[in-house]
Amino acid sequence: QKEVEQNSGPLSVPEGAIASLNCTYSDRGSQSFFWYRQYSGKSPELIMSIYSNGDKEDGRFTAQLNKASQYVSLLIRDSQPSDSATYLCAVNKGDSSYKLIFGSGTRLLVRP
Amino acid sequence: KAGVTQTPRYLIKTRGQQVTLSCSPISGHRSVSWYQQTPGQGLQFLFEYFSETQRNKGNFPGRFSGRQFSNSRSEMNVSTLELGDSALYLCASSLGENSPLHFGNGTRLTVT
Repeated sequence: QKEVEQNSGPLSVPEGAIASLNCTYSDRGSQSFFWYRQYSGKSPELIMSIYSNGDKEDGRFTAQLNKASQYVSLLIRDSQPSDSATYLCAVNKGDSSYKLIFGSGTRLLVRP
Repeated sequence: KAGVTQTPRYLIKTRGQQVTLSCSPISGHRSVSWYQQTPGQGLQFLFEYFSETQRNKGNFPGRFSGRQFSNSRSEMNVSTLELGDSALYLCASSLGENSPLHFGNGTRLTVT
């Protein structure tokens, strides 16, 4: 079992729709959760950080965390073609290992 | 505030050679992490440094090494290059545990 799992996609949504990206993790002690966006040929860019159960909203983005079920999700409202990218989920194990574990990423395609 | 700076951006090396990559973190960030990204393996953790100390190391052979200087700048070295070392090498800095990583633009290494 991978430590952080994501569906590789591609997830295809029409422009203006809500895109829902999911991530599960294996270590119950994980404390910090992050979503990154990576355009082809570019480096990952931080979108959201979430540390406690519930929802956290930032503009069109909402991160959701459920520690009991060990999943974290990212919702993108009013999806735009410019949102087409690979979205990486990253988890800090919280065991003082000082490293983020990344999922393999979900490729999102927003159709005009 | 300047972001994470990595040099060089591109490198082409021959099998058996060695290479040194450089990273300057965001001002005030004392933690520097290195990742290798390949299409097949995704983002793989190499090592993390804080105050010139390596606190964690990923599952890479001893050919991969790194260090951090007193000004938090970091270098990684790969000796006896193999074709499989061709990848995007990403450096990221952070304020510390539970803080997000901020990535540089990466160094794309091609081994021929």
